[in-house]
Order: sequence, then C-alpha cells, then structure tokens
Amino acid sequence: DTEVTQTPKHLVMGMTNKKSLKCEQHMGHRAMYWYKQKAKKPPELMFVYSYEKLSINESVPSRFSPECPNSSLLNLHLHALQPEDSALYLCASSQWRGQGNTEAFFGQGTRLTVV
Amino acid sequence: ILNVEQSPQSLHVQEGDSTNFTCSFPSSNFYALHWYRWETAKSPEALFVMTLNGDEKKKGRISATLNTKEGYSYLYIKGSQPEDSATYLCAFMLDSWGKLQFGSGTQVVVTP
Repeated sequence: DTEVTQTPKHLVMGMTNKKSLKCEQHMGHRAMYWYKQKAKKPPELMFVYSYEKLSINESVPSRFSPECPNSSLLNLHLHALQPEDSALYLCASSQWRGQGNTEAFFGQGTRLTVV
Repeated sequence: ILNVEQSPQSLHVQEGDSTNFTCSFPSSNFYALHWYRWETAKSPEALFVMTLNGDEKKKGRISATLNTKEGYSYLYIKGSQPEDSATYLCAFMLDSWGKLQFGSGTQVVVTP
C-alpha cells in the first residue's frame, strides 16, 4: 500500500467553524508533512512531524493546529480561519533516513473553501 | 525562502516529439533535488530523487540530469504521449528534515 489518504476531499467552512483535516498512511513512514497550495503557486510547507513529534512549524498562524496521534495519522485542526486560507491542503509522508533525501508520497489533498 | 525556478511555465508538445525543461536552484548547501509529476485530480507522484552532481536517472521515457555546481536540473521526455500531460514540479530539499522548496512547475500538454 503506497497510498496517502486524505479526508475530506472538499470542505467548505465558515469563519467561526472548527473543522479537521485527516491524513493516513500505512507505509511505516515516520516523517509526515502538511503543505498548503494556493492557486497557481507551488506547494508551501506548513509543518513537519518526525516520529510523531512536531519538528518544524513554518511560522504558521495558530488557527492551524497540527496533531499526530500515532505513526499512521496526521490531523490538521482548523479554527477561526479567514477567506485567504482557502487553498489545497496536501499531506505527505516519507521514510526517515536522517539524510532527508527520500521521496515524499502525497495525498490528493483537501480543497478548503472558507466563506 | 530560496529561489527554485522552472522554465518554461508551460509546453505544448505533439505526440511523439521529445521535450525537455529546466529547474534551477541554489548551488550551495545542496541536499537533494526531487522531481514530481502531478496530474489533474491526482496526487503528486515522485519521479526522481537526485543527490549527486552528475546524477542521471531514467524511468521509462523520462530521464533527468543534475548539475549541483551550477544549480540546475533538466527533465527530458522522449517520444511524448498524451498520458505524459501533467505538471512537472521540481523541489529542492533544504535540510535533513525533508523540507522541500517547490518550483512553480512546468505544465506539459501533449496533443495527439
């Protein structure tokens, strides 16, 4: 199984809502990532988890709250988002070899619209 | 934020023709250079991870070369087919944590 599964595929939420994005992989990868992609722009890294611990937060606003409950799951909790947060959110995972030079496996993304 | 640039932004190719495009990246503090293919409504899919200067990698009709001293990589598609239509992204690995800085991509459209 070389899949990274993201749910939901589409999400529309109001600025006062709380929602969560979910990501799951069963490849035994110990590094997991959240990326954000705005239209016609490249994906931008938000968070890196390694061995279920947050390793990197790319100065992401606190209205985005990541969580890694176990080695297969990665969540992104959303609260009080702004319309400019509307984007495609991609989850990825990779093996952890310390050198960081292994390929990333991506999910299909969650298309988020904040109204 | 380091500059990773891809050119051209888009390419229209006739079926059967070969094509190539470029990714340029910082030539210092090199960890790895990734290439991904991203078809519409699908996940980005890794094509190559390149780590050594002079690396050449091949997967079917697609190949890539790497020059870390001058900071560029070429991706080649030989005998393009309609199924090669996709956006091709290169990504510069910034550190050992696996942080990727993506280029904006080259959109390839292969017409029969």
